[in-house]
Amino acid sequence: EVQLVESGGDLVQPGRSLRLSCTASGFIFDDFAMHWVRQAPGKGLEWVSGITWNGATVGYADSVKGRFTISRDNARNSLYLQMNSLRDEDTALYYCAKAWSGSATPFDTWGQGTLVTVSS
Amino acid sequence: DIVMTQSPDSLAVSLGGRATINCKSSRSVLFSSKDYLAWYQQKAGQPPKLLISWASTRESGVPDRFSGSGSGTDFTLTISDLQAEDVAVYYCHQYYSTPLNTFGQGTKLEIK
Repeated sequence: EVQLVESGGDLVQPGRSLRLSCTASGFIFDDFAMHWVRQAPGKGLEWVSGITWNGATVGYADSVKGRFTISRDNARNSLYLQMNSLRDEDTALYYCAKAWSGSATPFDTWGQGTLVTVSS
Repeated sequence: DIVMTQSPDSLAVSLGGRATINCKSSRSVLFSSKDYLAWYQQKAGQPPKLLISWASTRESGVPDRFSGSGSGTDFTLTISDLQAEDVAVYYCHQYYSTPLNTFGQGTKLEIK
């Protein structure tokens, strides 16, 4: 069974850092691009960041560029999101999502999400 | 960046009726005869579920009541014979500019 499990969400103060992880199973992890998508409470989906199968190409939403860093460890079947200089508006449920293939394709598998709350 | 705009923001349809949700992209997402556009369904408390990819290709297991159409910059998700279990928020998603992706703001579908 294809599965994605996010972890690392927490309550943090503005300006602090947090690292999210996503552990994949049930598929050949290094064949697929991966993404982070977030959803603020009661709001819609916002794409945050994506990374190609080999980590060679990454992208970020303007709202997180320069503060967040996406990475992956294919040997550990894991995806990461390093979040620095957190702001109140970063409060959201963060989903890990698997792309349909290694590049420009839709997201066919999603985790259940991990909650990040930024508040003083 | 490509901006995706959905309409309406919400709609209510009678059981057995037809729901039509529109999605407009600020730039064409058509390349090499393929539209890089997907539709997702998100029910309360659940992650999104991929319904349609490449603008009109239904995913395995998705009822044929769901259909996608359109090309270039204008797309439509149609749900025929609306069932109670179709209550959800629906999102369009462009993956043309991968790794930069964007979602529409969502359309909330309810039963009238």
